[in-house]
Amino acid sequence: ETGVTQSPTHLIKTRGQQVTLRCSSQSGHNTVSWYQQALGQGPQFIFQYYREEENGRGNFPPRFSGLQFPNYSSELNVNALELDDSALYLCASSFKGSGNTIYFGEGSWLTVV
Amino acid sequence: GDSVVQTEGQVLPSEGDSLIVNCSYETTQYPSLFWYVQYPGEGPQLHLKAMKANDKGRNKGFEAMYRKETTSFHLEKDSVQESDSAVYFCALSDPVKTSRDDKIIFGKGTRLHILP
Repeated sequence: ETGVTQSPTHLIKTRGQQVTLRCSSQSGHNTVSWYQQALGQGPQFIFQYYREEENGRGNFPPRFSGLQFPNYSSELNVNALELDDSALYLCASSFKGSGNTIYFGEGSWLTVV
Repeated sequence: GDSVVQTEGQVLPSEGDSLIVNCSYETTQYPSLFWYVQYPGEGPQLHLKAMKANDKGRNKGFEAMYRKETTSFHLEKDSVQESDSAVYFCALSDPVKTSRDDKIIFGKGTRLHILP
């Protein structure tokens, strides 16, 4: 148990649709990162939110966007879904600072058909 | 850019065997190095870490030495158990770059399946 909760756990969407994934961070953590993990691959950094602002972004197109709320929870939004967006989406929370451990949730499995 | 390479996609030792899982990294800076473990249906969790050259990370009988001269961080264990079966990811973060976004770069993972 990491204290990071994600919803929904599984969902199926059609190509072209939009999806919102949600994350509640561990108590006391002020930073949320999102990662995409394709089947058989390692997680890839999408972006990070700190103080309700995007604080860094990986190599993902603008149709991947996010929000962080005053209680440090977060959303990941993906527009115009493509088949290749099918993956496990992981949220990770941490307290801002180099060397601090990040804690992952169990992820949301997205299947795009 | 920064990268992590794990050469084995899967290893199948028998219970009691010794284990080495290879990891090499590429970065222009002085990263922190990690091994994460992922069990079915769960997110990755930190297994061990080493913050600077010649540090050794340890956890549950596993060890990994941060070797700057060979840019490696191999995961080793003297005697594996069935309960060690999982996917192991080698990863790095760059303390200079991550002063902004704490990004972690993962390898593709090595599935460890211990045969009884």
